[in-house]
Amino acid sequence: AQKITQTQPGMFVQEKEAVTLDCTYDTSDQSYGLFWYKQPSSGEMIFLIYQGSYDEQNATEGRYSLNFQKARKSANLVISASQLGDSAMYFCAMRGSIGGFKTIFGAGTRLFVKA
Amino acid sequence: ETGVTQTPRHLVMGMTNKKSLKCEQHLGHNAMYWYKQSAKKPLELMFVYSLEERVENNSVPSRFSPECPNSSHLFLHLHTLQPEDSALYLCASSQESSPSIRDTQYFGPGTRLTVL
Repeated sequence: AQKITQTQPGMFVQEKEAVTLDCTYDTSDQSYGLFWYKQPSSGEMIFLIYQGSYDEQNATEGRYSLNFQKARKSANLVISASQLGDSAMYFCAMRGSIGGFKTIFGAGTRLFVKA
Repeated sequence: ETGVTQTPRHLVMGMTNKKSLKCEQHLGHNAMYWYKQSAKKPLELMFVYSLEERVENNSVPSRFSPECPNSSHLFLHLHTLQPEDSALYLCASSQESSPSIRDTQYFGPGTRLTVL
């Protein structure tokens, strides 16, 4: 069975500092994709970054980067230079190659950015 | 309009009411999804449509009835709901008509449903 674990229910970070949000996953699929989403209090899930299991380079998108360690089955999100607008829930998600259209999501981490 | 839109944004209904949630995507995508997000629970996939055909039905009670008349529109018809059905219902769309590990889902703002 596939599983996503986010062990940090809440995180605080000072504005302008970097923060790492943890995500570990469990799958028997050889090929899979990992996603991070941001959900502000308004409710919309905003796609941030994608990493494929066979991608050799860690993904980066602006201030977001993904620290992908395949052997450890971890896909941590790093946000650099935190901004007040980064305060939100963050979800790690995975789609496997044999799960059809199913994407499983973690429980999320709530990030608070302090001024 | 761009992206994925959902109406209404908020809905309060009694257990005997019938209502519908609407989702529209303006991205030219081929797959559409309904998710349920309850407090303190991970996002739960309810239904998936690809090219207007239902391809996933995740053991959802029959009081939830989806409809996909075309690739841009998705509905969720609700009847005789229970208070535990109160949640945020999110619609999403993605490009591919066949499953792909790279297929990114784009979400709407959600409908906050309260069942009294």
